[in-house]
Amino acid sequence: DAGITQSPRYKITETGRQVTLMCHQTWSHSYMFWYRQDLGHGLRLIYYSAAADITDKGEVPDGYVVSRSKTENFPLTLESATRSQTSVYFCASSDSGPKLQETQYFGPGTRLLVL
Amino acid sequence: QQQVKQSPQSLIVQKGGISIINCAYENTAFDYFPWYQQFPGKGPALLIAIRPDVSEKKEGRFTISFNKSAKQFSLHIMDSQPGDSATYFCAASKTGGYNKLIFGAGTRLAVHP
Repeated sequence: DAGITQSPRYKITETGRQVTLMCHQTWSHSYMFWYRQDLGHGLRLIYYSAAADITDKGEVPDGYVVSRSKTENFPLTLESATRSQTSVYFCASSDSGPKLQETQYFGPGTRLLVL
Repeated sequence: QQQVKQSPQSLIVQKGGISIINCAYENTAFDYFPWYQQFPGKGPALLIAIRPDVSEKKEGRFTISFNKSAKQFSLHIMDSQPGDSATYFCAASKTGGYNKLIFGAGTRLAVHP
């Protein structure tokens, strides 16, 4: 019963390299989200997905790519990492049940350092 | 543009005191206002949430007060404990918005024994 997991937990990379952050949830939640957390900015939405093969941009999507071929996985790729992408990245998921808004459940985060 | 403004940025409270964190929003279409709690090295977790049809919601020592006309809401932590030391985020979302949350910048709370 893992819930929502992220890998790797820590990553150091260099400017210009491609990096993929993984997110996996075991609840079969329809919605999945990627956020970045930076001091003074709180959590900002990068991309979200309403279902498999349905994704859309959030507040800060530039420089990121997502895919969702399976309901349980939602990888985030930095195509050419920049120093400004140094951050803590959180994946979250929520159900799309009968309630107006469902609770979002967050993973433990990935700390990314771009040198 | 910051749609949800949160204050203060940091807060120090003595054990047993009341912690108050305030948030203001701009979009009148928002109709769901959760508070998330985050401990160091962990992901945020839902603490308590309110919808605009009520002015207050209480769960244990945590209370949300909501002022629709002022477009403000606040979190009150009664009898604050050292274990409450964490970062608190307010957020807002709207029905039909794919459950997307707009977060405030966060408040780092330290409760001293």
